[in-house]
Amino acid sequence: EADIYQTPRYLVIGTGKKITLECSQTMGHDKMYWYQQDPGMELHLIHYSYGVNSTEKGDLSSESTVSRIRTEHFPLTLESARPSHTSQYLCASSPGTSDTDTQYFGPGTRLTVL
Amino acid sequence: GQNIDQPTEMTATEGAIVQINCTYQTSGFNGLFWYQQHAGEAPTFLSYNVLDGLEEKGRFSSFLSRSKGYSYLLLKELQMKDSASYLCAVWDSNYQLIWGAGTKLIIKP
Repeated sequence: EADIYQTPRYLVIGTGKKITLECSQTMGHDKMYWYQQDPGMELHLIHYSYGVNSTEKGDLSSESTVSRIRTEHFPLTLESARPSHTSQYLCASSPGTSDTDTQYFGPGTRLTVL
Repeated sequence: GQNIDQPTEMTATEGAIVQINCTYQTSGFNGLFWYQQHAGEAPTFLSYNVLDGLEEKGRFSSFLSRSKGYSYLLLKELQMKDSASYLCAVWDSNYQLIWGAGTKLIIKP
Protein backbone atom coordinates (compact mmCIF):
# COMPACT_ATOMS: atom_id res chain seq x y z
CA GLU A 1 0.00 0.00 0.00
CA ALA A 2 1.26 3.43 -0.97
CA ASP A 3 1.85 6.23 1.49
CA ILE A 4 0.80 9.41 -0.22
CA TYR A 5 0.33 12.77 1.41
CA GLN A 6 -1.39 15.97 0.41
CA THR A 7 -1.27 19.40 1.99
CA PRO A 8 -3.18 21.41 2.80
CA ARG A 9 -6.28 19.30 3.46
CA TYR A 10 -8.55 22.32 3.30
CA LEU A 11 -7.94 25.72 1.75
CA VAL A 12 -10.14 28.80 1.45
CA ILE A 13 -8.68 31.65 -0.57
CA GLY A 14 -9.74 34.73 -2.47
CA THR A 15 -9.97 35.14 -6.21
CA GLY A 16 -6.73 35.93 -7.98
CA LYS A 17 -4.41 34.31 -5.47
CA LYS A 18 -1.65 31.95 -6.53
CA ILE A 19 -1.71 28.61 -4.75
CA THR A 20 0.28 25.40 -4.76
CA LEU A 21 -1.20 22.09 -3.67
CA GLU A 22 1.44 19.69 -2.41
CA CYS A 23 1.58 15.96 -3.05
CA SER A 24 4.30 13.57 -1.91
CA GLN A 25 4.63 9.80 -1.93
CA THR A 26 7.19 7.64 -0.17
CA MET A 27 6.88 4.44 -2.20
CA GLY A 28 9.18 5.38 -5.06
CA HIS A 29 6.31 5.21 -7.55
CA ASP A 30 7.15 6.43 -11.03
CA LYS A 31 3.65 7.50 -12.06
CA MET A 32 1.71 10.30 -10.38
CA TYR A 33 -1.65 11.89 -11.15
CA TRP A 34 -3.83 14.84 -10.24
CA TYR A 35 -7.59 14.47 -10.36
CA GLN A 36 -10.42 16.89 -9.80
CA GLN A 37 -13.63 15.59 -8.25
CA ASP A 38 -16.88 17.44 -7.60
CA PRO A 39 -19.49 15.93 -5.23
CA GLY A 40 -21.31 12.99 -6.79
CA MET A 41 -19.28 13.25 -9.98
CA GLU A 42 -16.59 11.18 -11.62
CA LEU A 43 -12.89 11.83 -11.19
CA HIS A 44 -11.39 13.92 -13.97
CA LEU A 45 -7.69 13.61 -14.77
CA ILE A 46 -6.05 17.04 -15.01
CA HIS A 47 -2.33 16.18 -15.04
CA TYR A 48 -0.10 13.15 -14.91
CA SER A 49 3.56 12.24 -14.86
CA TYR A 50 5.37 9.05 -15.79
CA GLY A 51 8.61 10.05 -14.12
CA VAL A 52 11.01 12.86 -13.30
CA ASN A 53 10.81 15.75 -15.78
CA SER A 54 7.78 14.17 -17.45
CA THR A 55 4.38 15.91 -17.23
CA GLU A 56 1.28 15.69 -19.40
CA LYS A 57 -2.14 17.29 -19.41
CA GLY A 58 -5.15 15.08 -18.80
CA ASP A 59 -8.56 15.07 -20.38
CA LEU A 60 -9.95 17.95 -18.32
CA SER A 61 -8.97 21.42 -19.46
CA SER A 62 -7.21 23.05 -16.58
CA GLU A 63 -5.57 26.37 -15.82
CA SER A 64 -3.15 24.67 -13.46
CA THR A 65 0.45 23.59 -13.98
CA VAL A 66 2.53 20.81 -12.45
CA SER A 67 6.17 19.93 -12.06
CA ARG A 68 8.06 16.71 -11.35
CA ILE A 69 11.58 17.52 -10.29
CA ARG A 70 11.82 14.70 -7.78
CA THR A 71 10.24 11.26 -7.96
CA GLU A 72 8.39 11.67 -4.70
CA HIS A 73 7.00 15.18 -5.24
CA PHE A 74 4.29 16.35 -7.67
CA PRO A 75 2.95 19.81 -6.80
CA LEU A 76 0.05 21.47 -8.61
CA THR A 77 -0.04 25.26 -9.01
CA LEU A 78 -2.91 27.60 -9.81
CA GLU A 79 -1.47 30.95 -10.92
CA SER A 80 -4.72 32.85 -10.37
CA ALA A 81 -7.48 31.07 -8.51
CA ARG A 82 -11.10 31.58 -9.56
CA PRO A 83 -14.41 30.43 -8.00
CA SER A 84 -14.69 27.85 -10.82
CA HIS A 85 -11.62 26.15 -9.31
CA THR A 86 -13.57 25.27 -6.19
CA SER A 87 -13.40 21.48 -5.97
CA GLN A 88 -11.71 18.49 -4.37
CA TYR A 89 -8.22 17.77 -5.74
CA LEU A 90 -6.92 14.23 -5.41
CA CYS A 91 -3.35 13.14 -5.98
CA ALA A 92 -2.54 9.52 -6.82
CA SER A 93 0.48 7.40 -7.61
CA SER A 94 1.19 4.00 -9.11
CA PRO A 95 4.34 1.90 -9.38
CA GLY A 96 4.80 2.28 -13.13
CA THR A 97 5.58 -1.39 -13.67
CA SER A 98 2.50 -1.92 -15.86
CA ASP A 99 0.13 0.09 -18.04
CA THR A 100 -2.71 -1.06 -15.78
CA ASP A 101 -1.18 -0.39 -12.35
CA THR A 102 -3.42 0.17 -9.37
CA GLN A 103 -3.52 3.82 -8.39
CA TYR A 104 -3.24 4.80 -4.73
CA PHE A 105 -4.75 8.05 -3.59
CA GLY A 106 -3.85 10.74 -1.13
CA PRO A 107 -6.46 12.19 1.24
CA GLY A 108 -7.26 15.11 -1.05
CA THR A 109 -7.33 18.90 -0.80
CA ARG A 110 -10.69 20.58 -0.64
CA LEU A 111 -10.28 24.01 -2.24
CA THR A 112 -12.77 26.84 -1.94
CA VAL A 113 -12.18 30.04 -3.91
CA LEU A 114 -14.28 32.99 -2.82
CA GLY B 1 -17.95 8.70 -26.43
CA GLN B 2 -16.79 6.65 -23.50
CA ASN B 3 -19.20 6.06 -20.68
CA ILE B 4 -19.54 4.21 -17.42
CA ASP B 5 -22.96 3.81 -15.82
CA GLN B 6 -23.60 3.09 -12.18
CA PRO B 7 -26.72 3.66 -10.06
CA THR B 8 -26.47 6.97 -8.24
CA GLU B 9 -27.59 5.68 -4.86
CA MET B 10 -28.58 2.42 -3.19
CA THR B 11 -29.90 1.58 0.26
CA ALA B 12 -29.41 -1.70 2.10
CA THR B 13 -29.82 -3.11 5.58
CA GLU B 14 -27.04 -4.01 7.98
CA GLY B 15 -26.21 -7.72 7.68
CA ALA B 16 -27.74 -8.07 4.22
CA ILE B 17 -26.17 -8.48 0.77
CA VAL B 18 -26.05 -5.78 -1.91
CA GLN B 19 -24.96 -5.87 -5.56
CA ILE B 20 -23.70 -2.68 -7.22
CA ASN B 21 -23.72 -2.82 -11.01
CA CYS B 22 -21.44 -1.09 -13.48
CA THR B 23 -21.85 -1.08 -17.25
CA TYR B 24 -19.26 0.42 -19.53
CA GLN B 25 -18.97 1.52 -23.14
CA THR B 26 -15.32 2.23 -23.83
CA SER B 27 -12.93 2.09 -26.75
CA GLY B 28 -11.38 -1.22 -25.82
CA PHE B 29 -10.89 -2.77 -22.42
CA ASN B 30 -7.77 -3.51 -20.40
CA GLY B 31 -9.16 -4.04 -16.93
CA LEU B 32 -11.72 -2.77 -14.42
CA PHE B 33 -11.27 -1.40 -10.91
CA TRP B 34 -13.60 -1.00 -7.97
CA TYR B 35 -12.71 1.61 -5.37
CA GLN B 36 -14.41 2.56 -2.11
CA GLN B 37 -14.62 6.22 -1.13
CA HIS B 38 -15.92 7.37 2.23
CA ALA B 39 -17.32 10.89 2.30
CA GLY B 40 -14.56 13.46 2.25
CA GLU B 41 -11.84 10.84 1.98
CA ALA B 42 -9.62 9.34 -0.71
CA PRO B 43 -10.71 6.41 -2.87
CA THR B 44 -9.21 3.13 -1.67
CA PHE B 45 -8.60 0.14 -3.90
CA LEU B 46 -10.99 -2.80 -3.57
CA SER B 47 -10.57 -5.05 -6.60
CA TYR B 48 -9.26 -5.41 -10.13
CA ASN B 49 -10.77 -7.65 -12.84
CA VAL B 50 -9.27 -8.25 -16.25
CA LEU B 51 -10.66 -11.71 -17.04
CA ASP B 52 -14.28 -12.86 -16.99
CA GLY B 53 -15.57 -14.35 -13.80
CA LEU B 54 -15.87 -13.78 -10.11
CA GLU B 55 -13.05 -12.64 -7.82
CA GLU B 56 -13.73 -13.09 -4.12
CA LYS B 57 -11.97 -11.18 -1.39
CA GLY B 58 -13.49 -11.63 2.03
CA ARG B 59 -16.90 -10.00 2.24
CA PHE B 60 -16.40 -8.34 -1.14
CA SER B 61 -16.59 -10.03 -4.56
CA SER B 62 -16.31 -8.54 -8.02
CA PHE B 63 -17.63 -10.03 -11.25
CA LEU B 64 -16.76 -9.20 -14.85
CA SER B 65 -18.33 -10.05 -18.20
CA ARG B 66 -16.31 -8.46 -20.99
CA SER B 67 -18.74 -9.54 -23.71
CA LYS B 68 -21.57 -7.70 -21.94
CA GLY B 69 -19.49 -4.71 -20.81
CA TYR B 70 -20.69 -5.41 -17.30
CA SER B 71 -19.34 -5.76 -13.80
CA TYR B 72 -20.80 -5.91 -10.34
CA LEU B 73 -19.47 -5.54 -6.83
CA LEU B 74 -21.12 -7.82 -4.28
CA LEU B 75 -20.94 -6.89 -0.61
CA LYS B 76 -21.99 -9.50 1.94
CA GLU B 77 -22.78 -9.22 5.66
CA LEU B 78 -23.09 -5.48 5.35
CA GLN B 79 -21.71 -3.34 8.14
CA MET B 80 -22.40 0.29 8.92
CA LYS B 81 -18.81 1.13 7.94
CA ASP B 82 -19.61 -0.02 4.39
CA SER B 83 -21.62 3.18 3.92
CA ALA B 84 -19.57 4.89 1.20
CA SER B 85 -19.45 5.56 -2.49
CA TYR B 86 -18.24 2.77 -4.76
CA LEU B 87 -16.43 3.82 -7.91
CA CYS B 88 -16.06 1.73 -11.06
CA ALA B 89 -13.17 2.57 -13.42
CA VAL B 90 -12.07 1.01 -16.72
CA TRP B 91 -8.75 1.05 -18.58
CA ASP B 92 -9.54 1.67 -22.24
CA SER B 93 -7.47 0.58 -25.25
CA ASN B 94 -5.21 3.64 -24.89
CA TYR B 95 -4.64 2.89 -21.20
CA GLN B 96 -6.69 5.88 -20.17
CA LEU B 97 -8.59 5.26 -16.93
CA ILE B 98 -12.27 6.11 -17.35
CA TRP B 99 -14.19 6.67 -14.11
CA GLY B 100 -17.84 6.27 -13.25
CA ALA B 101 -19.57 8.82 -11.03
CA GLY B 102 -19.87 6.27 -8.24
CA THR B 103 -22.73 4.65 -6.35
CA LYS B 104 -23.53 6.03 -2.92
CA LEU B 105 -24.41 3.10 -0.65
CA ILE B 106 -26.46 3.86 2.45
CA ILE B 107 -26.62 1.17 5.14
CA LYS B 108 -29.53 1.25 7.57
CA PRO B 109 -29.61 -0.56 10.91
